[in-house]
Amino acid sequence: AQSVTQLDSQVPVFEEAPVELRCNYSSSVSVYLFWYVQYPNQGLQLLLKYLSGSTLVESINGFEAEFNKSQTSFHLRKPSVHISDTAEYFCAVSPSGGSYIPTFGRGTSLIVHP
Amino acid sequence: SQTIHQWPATLVQPVGSPLSLECTVEGTSNPNLYWYRQAAGRGLQLLFYSVGIGQISSEVPQNLSASRPQDRQFILSSKKLLLSDSGFYLCASAGQMTYEQYFGPGTRLTVT
Repeated sequence: AQSVTQLDSQVPVFEEAPVELRCNYSSSVSVYLFWYVQYPNQGLQLLLKYLSGSTLVESINGFEAEFNKSQTSFHLRKPSVHISDTAEYFCAVSPSGGSYIPTFGRGTSLIVHP
Repeated sequence: SQTIHQWPATLVQPVGSPLSLECTVEGTSNPNLYWYRQAAGRGLQLLFYSVGIGQISSEVPQNLSASRPQDRQFILSSKKLLLSDSGFYLCASAGQMTYEQYFGPGTRLTVT
């Protein structure tokens, strides 16, 4: 079984400041890792994913996440946030073999202030 | 890519009334389908998932049921709604050999 911990339920930050949203996981098997974003009253959208290869993955809107196997982490970062980044962010893991049922974290609300 | 349709977008129903939420998928065949419920501040709770027509697995005991009458149609139902059934319901789809999920816009259900 897998578990995902997003330690911060809410992260307030000022516009153009850097941000890091933390995600730690535990699993007895290899996993694939995902970050999803949810804007108010909408469904989730895939932001980025790690399946294999380079441990640093990037999204088209400036976010990046780094898979750290030794620390079992997949933190999400952005060097300079915009007001439009205000949203709920979910970290998720799926076992890499067989089961297609992901485990989601409880989410982190990113609030960007002007 | 896949497109997930859900309706209705919002629904207000009295306690004890029936429920039917529909989800349809475009852009893929034979997807894995999922129903989630999202309560405020509590993340996503997986309710049901399906790997094929007529194949439904339930993750939690509850007042709800799911059906998959067609390859790209997934329905969430209840015979009698409870107050605790209120929430934001999300349908998701994933390719058979992929792991990332595509989500619909959701249905906000309020049971009064």
